[in-house]
Amino acid sequence: NAGVTQTPKFQVLKTGQSMTLQCAQDMNHNSMYWYRQDPGMGLRLIYYSASEGTTDKGEVPNGYNVSRLNKREFSLRLESAAPSQTSVYFCASRPGQGADTQYFGPGTRLTVL
Amino acid sequence: QKEVEQDPGPLSVPEGAIVSLNCTYSNSAFQYFMWYRQYSRKGPELLMYTYSSGNKEDGRFTAQVDKSSKYISLFIRDSQPSDSATYLCAMSALGGNNRLAFGKGNQVVVIP
Repeated sequence: NAGVTQTPKFQVLKTGQSMTLQCAQDMNHNSMYWYRQDPGMGLRLIYYSASEGTTDKGEVPNGYNVSRLNKREFSLRLESAAPSQTSVYFCASRPGQGADTQYFGPGTRLTVL
Repeated sequence: QKEVEQDPGPLSVPEGAIVSLNCTYSNSAFQYFMWYRQYSRKGPELLMYTYSSGNKEDGRFTAQVDKSSKYISLFIRDSQPSDSATYLCAMSALGGNNRLAFGKGNQVVVIP
């Protein structure tokens, strides 16, 4: 049981390049989330998916898109990376109704030059 | 006013001391309260989970929720160097659209 996995662990991009961050969970959770974590800013929600087939914007969605590919997988895409998107990105999942805890992946460290 | 306020610290304590962390919040609809521990360069891991008011104890860790004061606390007894990490509080409302409100985190260093 791997929990929440994220790939890649590290990435360096040039301004304007695109990339997709992958996230998968094997806990049969309904909801999945993408956060970014920056020094002094804490965790900020980018997008979330309450259930398979639905996605919603979080606090800081600009510059990102997401896809809930199936119940297990939730990807985050940067279409045209900017230096302001340099951050650590975390994916999380939540069991569903009646349990509000979220379980986090190990993170992806992204640097945009 | 931010929904959740948490003093970022850092907090340095000698091994064996009691660590006291707290968060205040403004949204009276919050019902679920969590503490996460995050080691350097790792993802947050769930440490304590409490529903509504009261205390919850798990080994050396105690979580307290005072909804009347909109104040939550985490106590770590007999602190160990392995407790050195950043501790984040998080909370959500019942049916709160699946979203957690996080504090910014409090860095704790336990000195051997």
